[in-house]
Amino acid sequence: AQSVTQLGSHVSVSEGALVLLRCNYSSSVPPYLFWYVQYPNQGLQLLLKYTSAATLVKGINGFEAEFKKSETSFHLTKPSAHMSDAAEYFCAVSDLAGNQFYFGTGTSLTVIP
Amino acid sequence: NAGVTQTPKFRVLKTGQSMTLQCAQDMNHEYMSWYRQDPGMGLRLIHYSVGAGITDQGEVPNGYNVSRSTTEDFPLRLLSAAPSQTSVYFCASRMNFNYGYTFGSGTRLTVV
Repeated sequence: AQSVTQLGSHVSVSEGALVLLRCNYSSSVPPYLFWYVQYPNQGLQLLLKYTSAATLVKGINGFEAEFKKSETSFHLTKPSAHMSDAAEYFCAVSDLAGNQFYFGTGTSLTVIP
Repeated sequence: NAGVTQTPKFRVLKTGQSMTLQCAQDMNHEYMSWYRQDPGMGLRLIHYSVGAGITDQGEVPNGYNVSRSTTEDFPLRLLSAAPSQTSVYFCASRMNFNYGYTFGSGTRLTVV
């Protein structure tokens, strides 16, 4: 089965600093990969997705992620953190058949003014 | 479009009671799934469906049943509620495997 590992359950950054949230996947075949954001007491919102096209994927709210097959990684970045970025972030993987879709355990991002 | 609609938003059940969590989507999506979210464990897949009449188990299916008689609806049934089923439940749908899921706003269930 596919799986993703998110390194760091809590990440704190200063406002204006680089945001880096890590995600590694386990698969011998590059799967489809996704990043979601969850604000308190809300459902999940899709930030961006990788589906075997460009390896650098741009999403909403200034986030982007780079697919690196050699490192089996799909890290999420944003050049400059904003207070409104404080939320829980989930990496997810779907197998190529698309039947199952698995989430990582999440990373809580705190932005310090 | 309403997207994915879940009802109820909150519910308190007594141990042993049964209930159905409703989920409906109006986007004509083929794929639908149910997840539960627990602190420190992310979202875990309970059951999923790839079309009307087709369902399958996810990671944590025990104690839950689903059916998919129409494209729009995907209810989740708790047969005999247990305190371990206290959680936030999310229903989600997507067009096909190329797309990410669109999520409902969740149902917060407490079993006492």
